[in-house]
Amino acid sequence: GNSVTQMEGPVTLSEEAFLTINCTYTATGYPSLFWYVQYPGEGLQLLLKATKADDKGSNKGFEATYRKETTSFHLEKGSVQVSDSAVYFCALAGGTSYGKLTFGQGTILTVHP
Amino acid sequence: NAGVTQTPKFRILKIGQSMTLQCTQDMNHNYMYWYRQDPGMGLKLIYYSVGAGITDKGEVPNGYNVSRSTTEDFPLRLELAAPSQTSVYFCASSYLGYYNEQFFGPGTRLTVL
Repeated sequence: GNSVTQMEGPVTLSEEAFLTINCTYTATGYPSLFWYVQYPGEGLQLLLKATKADDKGSNKGFEATYRKETTSFHLEKGSVQVSDSAVYFCALAGGTSYGKLTFGQGTILTVHP
Repeated sequence: NAGVTQTPKFRILKIGQSMTLQCTQDMNHNYMYWYRQDPGMGLKLIYYSVGAGITDKGEVPNGYNVSRSTTEDFPLRLELAAPSQTSVYFCASSYLGYYNEQFFGPGTRLTVL
């Protein structure tokens, strides 16, 4: 079956530091890949997505590239802000899954001034 | 446009009690989903629906039931609450279900004592 593995957290950074959150996946066929963000006390929001190999998703300074050869979708941001503090989830939707998402366990990011 | 709304926000149940978690979306989405989020874990799919009158089990359906009589509403029923059902429950919806973004509600925090 499908599975998603994210790097262990929590991650603590200073403002303006570089961020990488690793995500690897196992899936049959050609899944779509997503990063969702959950701010404290809120539901999840889509941050970015990629639907085929070598696609790069980007939003709010965050980027992730769909790497089929390494089955990875790592999230990066060049300069984090305090307002980026949140939980980040990597997820995939398989080809015939009716959009059902398989989530990683989430990575807590805390950014200090 | 309210998006996805969930009620209640918080609830404490005693073991063996029943309750219904309400979910409504006003985006005319055909796909709807119920997830649970346990501490330190990603979200797991409980049930999903691809349209009014059509529902199917997700990864962790035991102890829950759903119905979908209208496009807008997708209630989740707990018949005999157990401590293992203590969790945060999220409802989500999407338009086509595969590539498209899922929109999440704010969640219901349920404690079973």
